[in-house]
Amino acid sequence: GENVEQHPSTLSVQEGDSAVIKCTYSDSASNYFPWYKQELGKRPQLIIDIRSNVGEKKDQRIAVTLNKTAKHFSLHITETQPEDSAVYFCAATIKAAGNKLTFGGGTRVLVKP
Amino acid sequence: GAVVSQHPSWVICKSGTSVKIECRSLDFQATTMFWYRQFPKQSLMLMATSNEGSKATYEQGVEKDKFLINHASLTLSTLTVTSAHPEDSSFYICSARDPTSGNTDTQYFGPGTRLTVL
Repeated sequence: GENVEQHPSTLSVQEGDSAVIKCTYSDSASNYFPWYKQELGKRPQLIIDIRSNVGEKKDQRIAVTLNKTAKHFSLHITETQPEDSAVYFCAATIKAAGNKLTFGGGTRVLVKP
Repeated sequence: GAVVSQHPSWVICKSGTSVKIECRSLDFQATTMFWYRQFPKQSLMLMATSNEGSKATYEQGVEKDKFLINHASLTLSTLTVTSAHPEDSSFYICSARDPTSGNTDTQYFGPGTRLTVL
């Protein structure tokens, strides 16, 4: 089955700096890659996603890049703010396999004011 | 946007008892819902796929007789933890996709249910 690795597990950045989280996946059939933000005790919230036919997508301060050949995708947060502090999860899904999400291990991001 | 609710938000029970958790899609119909378990400071692990009108599909290592799933309608799936033990204490989260939305791949998560077994 699909395996998703996520790095780093923790990330501390100064407010205003950029944060980058990287994920790799194992199954070349994966075709949808969402990123979720989860605050303590809350539900995961979708922040951005990308499909396998797209190499890059941007939404304000958040961007995601996908390299299908290398089977890795990354989340970029620019001009970080304290409210960006949370745990971020990448995930991969295979539409033909029932759209089951396989999550990475998560990255705990701390933005220091 | 698509809204998924769960009930209860938290529950404390005694070892050996059963607990039922409900997952509802509030503004859309979901033929498929997913149940996850999340231990503290860990990732979400898929437990099972709940299919409306048919049996759930369980992930490897998940005991189907212990985690009973019923998806009796297009807006409700239930997870029953039977004969709960302290090691079942966890955060249980459901999700669903909205097949009528512009993004049918996106899974929307419920707020989660924190189960504590004493």
